[in-house]
Amino acid sequence: GAVVSQHPSWVICKSGTSVKIECRSLDFQATTMFWYRQFPKQSLMLMATSNEGSKATYEQGVEKDKFLINHASLTLSTLTVTSAHPEDSSFYICSASDSQRPNQPQHFGDGTRLSIL
Amino acid sequence: SQQGEEDPQALSIQEGENATMNCSYKTSINNLQWYRQNSGRGLVHLILIRSNEREKHSGRLRVTLDTSKKSSSLLITASRAADTASYFCVPTSGTYKYIFGTGTRLKVLA
Repeated sequence: GAVVSQHPSWVICKSGTSVKIECRSLDFQATTMFWYRQFPKQSLMLMATSNEGSKATYEQGVEKDKFLINHASLTLSTLTVTSAHPEDSSFYICSASDSQRPNQPQHFGDGTRLSIL
Repeated sequence: SQQGEEDPQALSIQEGENATMNCSYKTSINNLQWYRQNSGRGLVHLILIRSNEREKHSGRLRVTLDTSKKSSSLLITASRAADTASYFCVPTSGTYKYIFGTGTRLKVLA
């Protein structure tokens, strides 16, 4: 079945550093990928829609300069948390939509737990 | 896109019992999906039911859809400890954006 790989699964870093999270569709092409953020025991909050070859579309209240998204190929989107601070600590999840089957369910990665010290 | 609202927020049952959770939404849909999230993991797609379908089965899962009441239910029969997870419904209507509600947190006690 369709698989989305997210890397790393867990990262701890110091305040002020930038962290890059990768989301790859392993066996399908995805012109559209999505990034979510989830706080403990809360729901997933959509942060942005990543579009291959063009700028990402950010949801209201999400700082585009803080959360840089790049979708340079049909199988890879990256989220970079710039100058991370403890309040950026969260669980980040990506999903991808199969370009050939846009009406099929999205496929989710396993998430990245980010801890900023 | 619209957000589904799951009910109850939390459900605790004994292994072997059935678990039923409900979902309500506000406007017309093309389809409705149910996802499961184990603690600290990503989401796993369980089942998709189209707006012209009333019931769908997949293994121990049974999903119903009542478009007149704008509601859906997910039944898990003969529950197992491994079914312990959060369950989310996602009503979709032509866009790719998924909006998640707070989900139902199911705990199956061994």
